[in-house]
Amino acid sequence: ETGVTQTPRHLVMGMTNKKSLKCEQHLGHNAMYWYKQSAKKPLELMFVYSLEERVENNSVPSRFSPECPNSSHLFLHLHTLQPEDSALYLCASSQDGTQYFGPGTRLLVL
Amino acid sequence: AQKVTQAQTEISVVEKEDVTLDCVYETRDTTYYLFWYKQPPSGELVFLIRRNSFDEQNEISGRYSWNFQKSTSSFNFTITASQVVDSAVYFCALLSGGYNKLIFGAGTRLAVHP
Repeated sequence: ETGVTQTPRHLVMGMTNKKSLKCEQHLGHNAMYWYKQSAKKPLELMFVYSLEERVENNSVPSRFSPECPNSSHLFLHLHTLQPEDSALYLCASSQDGTQYFGPGTRLLVL
Repeated sequence: AQKVTQAQTEISVVEKEDVTLDCVYETRDTTYYLFWYKQPPSGELVFLIRRNSFDEQNEISGRYSWNFQKSTSSFNFTITASQVVDSAVYFCALLSGGYNKLIFGAGTRLAVHP
């Protein structure tokens, strides 16, 4: 069952750029998540939103700014990123604990 | 502490071989849930199965089967007659605490060769 979309799928940005990642879920779920997956590293949970309220921020640098305007949409605003922020960014949603993931955005920071 | 260990970093098999992916978990909760996800090269994590801590029945779905043993805190995943399309990274995960936070293992990369 998929129903989580992410845009863009690929993004190349310079360290001085500002960009946003978008996630949309069509499953009627009440929780949404941002994960970071770097090469050779485990999945890192970044943010959790439950009922549009941020409930977890795992010591993520302030150059990453999440926004959840409603239960179906989640954004990750990016500014002044570093090359080590290059990774696959995955969005997920859940209602009862089972998380359903989007296809991810592959980000390259030059 | 909540923890999921997938000791096998990479496994390589030839098509039609059976392969078992190991998962060991740690939790003090009496009620918990275990999951397996598949991540093909495209990147998306695909949900495969969810088990709750009160149901130790093994499950079979086609070529996939799961063995849940609370006595050894393990939730192993077996693929029978593997195929090239099974090549992916497989993650075991534990549902912990509030807000549906998943604890993921490091993943096992499975390569199935023709």
